Amino acid sequence: DTGVSQDPRHKITKRGQNVTFRCDPISEHNRLYWYRQTLGQGPEFLTYFQNEAQLEKSRLLSDRFSAERPKGSFSTLEIQRTEQGDSAMYLCASSLVRGGLPGEQFFGPGTRLTVL
Amino acid sequence: AQKITQTQPGMFVQEKEAVTLDCTYDTSDPSYGLFWYKQPSSGEMIFLIYQGSYDQQNATEGRYSLNFQKARKSANLVISASQLGDSAMYFCAMREDFNFNKFYFGSGTKLNVKP
Repeated sequence: DTGVSQDPRHKITKRGQNVTFRCDPISEHNRLYWYRQTLGQGPEFLTYFQNEAQLEKSRLLSDRFSAERPKGSFSTLEIQRTEQGDSAMYLCASSLVRGGLPGEQFFGPGTRLTVL
Repeated sequence: AQKITQTQPGMFVQEKEAVTLDCTYDTSDPSYGLFWYKQPSSGEMIFLIYQGSYDQQNATEGRYSLNFQKARKSANLVISASQLGDSAMYFCAMREDFNFNKFYFGSGTKLNVKP
């Protein structure tokens, strides 16, 4: 399977714990995005990488959130001291930049986080 | 202000009929891209169609077409000959090319296709 994969698919944690999610993009894609989606809403942009460089972060991304893409391949999203408001689906997407612009995004299946 | 507005939370359409899902956008960037995605109940987002702000013709992909009206800042999705498998959430999205290529999504329209 050469699509975007995410791990884990589901995560249940207690308030205050740290969690880390992983995303493996399509191998030739140089852009990688993280989104958060709550029930009945569209995805909200969190951050994105061009290769290993993190180019933009949303104001939604508080200092409890950190994302890395150390070698320009897979990425991790860590949430420290989780709060109940962090419960959501976390989506990863990747795209290929052509002519200086990113094309359509290919999404992974998401990681559903539940904070108790 | 909302970057992407989808005013129809839910829509019904009869199988084999055409349906239009509305999308308006707000940007001051001269260059941008518009996308539609489908999200079935299984959860995975599926790319449907793309329109660039400088494209002269409306985009088409099989049964999907994008009715792009630049002056009105609208990018409506038209699905022809609806099928039961088209029942899903549909999201309109915009990429701003001079704003770090950020993507913005609307709140979605739930389409139900009736047999």
